[in-house]
Amino acid sequence: QVQLVESGGGVAQPGGSLRLSCAASGFTFSTYVMHWVRQAPGKGLEWVAVVSSEGHNKFFAPSVKGRFSISRDNFKSTLFLQMNSLRRDDTAVYYCARDTVPAASAPGTFDYWGQGTLVTVSS
Amino acid sequence: QSVLTQPASVSGSPGQSITISCTGSSSDVGGYSYVSWYQLHPGKAPKLIIYEVTDRPSGVSDRFSGSKSGNTASLTISGLQAEDEGDYYCSSYSSSVTLRVFGSGTRVNVL
Repeated sequence: QVQLVESGGGVAQPGGSLRLSCAASGFTFSTYVMHWVRQAPGKGLEWVAVVSSEGHNKFFAPSVKGRFSISRDNFKSTLFLQMNSLRRDDTAVYYCARDTVPAASAPGTFDYWGQGTLVTVSS
Repeated sequence: QSVLTQPASVSGSPGQSITISCTGSSSDVGGYSYVSWYQLHPGKAPKLIIYEVTDRPSGVSDRFSGSKSGNTASLTISGLQAEDEGDYYCSSYSSSVTLRVFGSGTRVNVL
């Protein structure tokens, strides 16, 4: 069965960095587009970033562009989110999600999600 | 601030039907047949319940159905059950720089 398990969340100071991981299993990770989606406390879901199956094409939400980067290790079936210059409004549960389409910029659906990892940005 | 607008909450008694709306624009909901709906329960992974406006993944109850008219998509839950309580979010592909947009979320309460 498809499993996505996020890790790496914790407390970071404003201006600091954090790296999230998402370990995938139960499917051929290297053939799927992958996303990060977040949910701030008491707020709705917000799309963060997407990476193509081979890792070359990447797109970001305007709120994180230039501060966050997304990457993947297809040999280890792991997705990453490098978060730099963290701000208090980056505080959220971060989910990784699998897409149903073969291209990062194409319309698609998040068909499987992880349980999320909490990132708190606070001094 | 969410791009797609949903009612904050919808309530119904067991056995009743409820409908949740999701209103966007021609750049997202109205322009594409890639509207999906997700069910969220605290501490659990979000679950896909409707994709491409009307389709249900295998294993999802046929009590859940989706539709779209213009810039508004809708999720209907028929025969409401206690287990349906939770938060529901719509999502759509968007032609804006934000490739995927979400609704503001709707809390479903089973009375």
